[in-house]
Amino acid sequence: AQRVTQPEKLLSVFKGAPVELKCNYSYSGSPELFWYVQYSRQRLQLLLRHISRESIKGFTADLNKGETSFHLKKPFAQEEDSAMYYCALLNQGGKLIFGQGTELSVKP
Amino acid sequence: NAGVTQTPKFHILKIGQSMTLQCTQDMNHNYMYWYRQDPGMGLKLIYYSVGAGITDKGEVPNGYNVSRSTTEDFPLRLELAAPSQTSVYFCASTPRGQGGGPVNEQYFGPGTRLTVT
Repeated sequence: AQRVTQPEKLLSVFKGAPVELKCNYSYSGSPELFWYVQYSRQRLQLLLRHISRESIKGFTADLNKGETSFHLKKPFAQEEDSAMYYCALLNQGGKLIFGQGTELSVKP
Repeated sequence: NAGVTQTPKFHILKIGQSMTLQCTQDMNHNYMYWYRQDPGMGLKLIYYSVGAGITDKGEVPNGYNVSRSTTEDFPLRLELAAPSQTSVYFCASTPRGQGGGPVNEQYFGPGTRLTVT
């Protein structure tokens, strides 16, 4: 089965605190994983992809095949990070499978 | 480039009515997608298209129809609307990669918030 699970619907942290948004996947092939973000009143946009091994806006995500996870991390959260975050997997058919989403709220 | 545009932004539909959600992209992308976003459920793929004249079902196609007569446009048709179709609908597109398949980043429209009552 192809599935992406984000166990937290809402994650609330204070500004400057570390943040980790969890993502687990189920996929039989070699996965391509992504994090998409949707800021308030904006469209969904790509944040980062595992294949690039990049850091965007201070966020990083490492693919752990042993644990089938792709958690999104940032050492010091900022208020402007408040948004809806979706983990997604690209299957062999070229279709994205999204997780349920996690709403991140960063309080001042 | 305007990117992916969707109309209308909001709409209230009565049960049993029909309507078409419009989606247009000006990036000459081959692949286009329709998703619905429900609270706590993430995005579910309704239909997709790999090019003009070619469409296929996604995960939740029941109650919807699509057509792709041009590269730019990918309208989504709701026939006999039901309350279960109350959702936010997103259209997305992506270009064809060198291998012939879709490039892995999808570009999203702003969404259409539809209420069926």
